Amino acid sequence: DVKVTQSSRYLVKRTGEKVFLECVQDMDHENMFWYRQDPGLGLRLIYFSYDVKMKEKGDIPEGYSVSREKKERFSLILESASTNQTSMYLCASRPGTLGYTFGSGTRLTVV
Amino acid sequence: KQEVTQIPAALSVPEGENLVLNCSFTDSAIYNLQWFRQDPGKGLTSLLLIQSSQREQTSGRLNASLDKSSGRSTLYIAASQPGDSATYLCAVPSGGSYIPTFGRGTSLIVHP
Repeated sequence: DVKVTQSSRYLVKRTGEKVFLECVQDMDHENMFWYRQDPGLGLRLIYFSYDVKMKEKGDIPEGYSVSREKKERFSLILESASTNQTSMYLCASRPGTLGYTFGSGTRLTVV
Repeated sequence: KQEVTQIPAALSVPEGENLVLNCSFTDSAIYNLQWFRQDPGKGLTSLLLIQSSQREQTSGRLNASLDKSSGRSTLYIAASQPGDSATYLCAVPSGGSYIPTFGRGTSLIVHP
């Protein structure tokens, strides 16, 4: 089975800190995605990547950046964390146009 | 732009009932449709993936059907159990980007 691993389940950071969320997949999938999920708003796409060093903005990229130096790893970076970035962050990978596999999520709280 | 609606938003049933969850979409030019389950505070777990050329997929007590022409998919859960309690989401990729639109989900509670 494909495994998508997010490095932290829970994270508490201070306002203004630079935050790194890491995601690793073990099945050589080309495509990787970062979403955030908030009550009443559903899943919203932040960034995605079709290949190493490639990135595309999703629906809500402001305040975030990403890095994909190796095929298996896709990092989400909060340049200067703010309280409105408190959320559940979900990473997913996908081979071609087939179905998604999600990680277990990172609950980030910014205080 | 694809719009995905899931009805009902919430459902509470006694154990043993057969259930139907609905997913409607506005753009029928889809590549596939994927159903997920999400437990509180966890990630999404894939349940079933139906390709656009298929009419249904089955896995254990779960059966998902797809009717592209009417823009609908249903997830049928047979003989529901308390362990089925979760939020169920559908995801529908369409258009040139293959990026899916997610429904808001159906929150299911199965009580003993």
